[in-house]
Amino acid sequence: DAGITQSPRHKVTETGTPVTLRCHQTENHRYMYWYRQDPGHGLRLIHYSYGVKDTDKGEVSDGYSVSRSKTEDFLLTLESATSSQTSVYFCAISESLGEEKLFGSGTRLTVV
Amino acid sequence: SQQGEEDPQALSIQEGENATMNCSYKTSINNLQWYRQNSGRGLVHLILIRSNEREKHSGRLRVTLDTSKKSSSLLITASRAADTASYFCATDLYDMRFGAGTRLTVKP
Repeated sequence: DAGITQSPRHKVTETGTPVTLRCHQTENHRYMYWYRQDPGHGLRLIHYSYGVKDTDKGEVSDGYSVSRSKTEDFLLTLESATSSQTSVYFCAISESLGEEKLFGSGTRLTVV
Repeated sequence: SQQGEEDPQALSIQEGENATMNCSYKTSINNLQWYRQNSGRGLVHLILIRSNEREKHSGRLRVTLDTSKKSSSLLITASRAADTASYFCATDLYDMRFGAGTRLTVKP
């Protein structure tokens, strides 16, 4: 199977509403990451996790929070969605920090 | 800030030709990685080259790294229509930074 799955694949939400995206892995990798991809910017790191309950901020963390209560699940929450958070969100996993990453298929989020 | 910068932004070639794309970066790195992304899909890891390596091969892929110039190149030989995708370099020191990508189109 894929080893990493994201849900939902697509979501449209209204400005000001909370949104949670889920990333689930079956590889038992220690590190999990959330990126956003916008035209002209490549991928930018939002938050990452280096273990259960251990997380840290990335380059563009404002407006986002994360939680990791189990090795296999990494949740990204937009507490109050804004139109600037319309993007494609990718989850990734790796065995070691800075090594080869396995990416999910992405979640396309539209905030209207 | 963006670390890796790919060049060119877009490249169009005929099937069978070689494709070369470049990546420049700004700070020291531990390694540099290349990824491919097909339209609407997640990124797929292609190859990793460490800072103490100068060249690496994987199938039809050849990657070079010049740390003195802070640059890397990805060569795809004998390209196929299925190679049509966006290619990203990603550099790593404390966290991985991606460039904006090169859009490669291989015409059959």
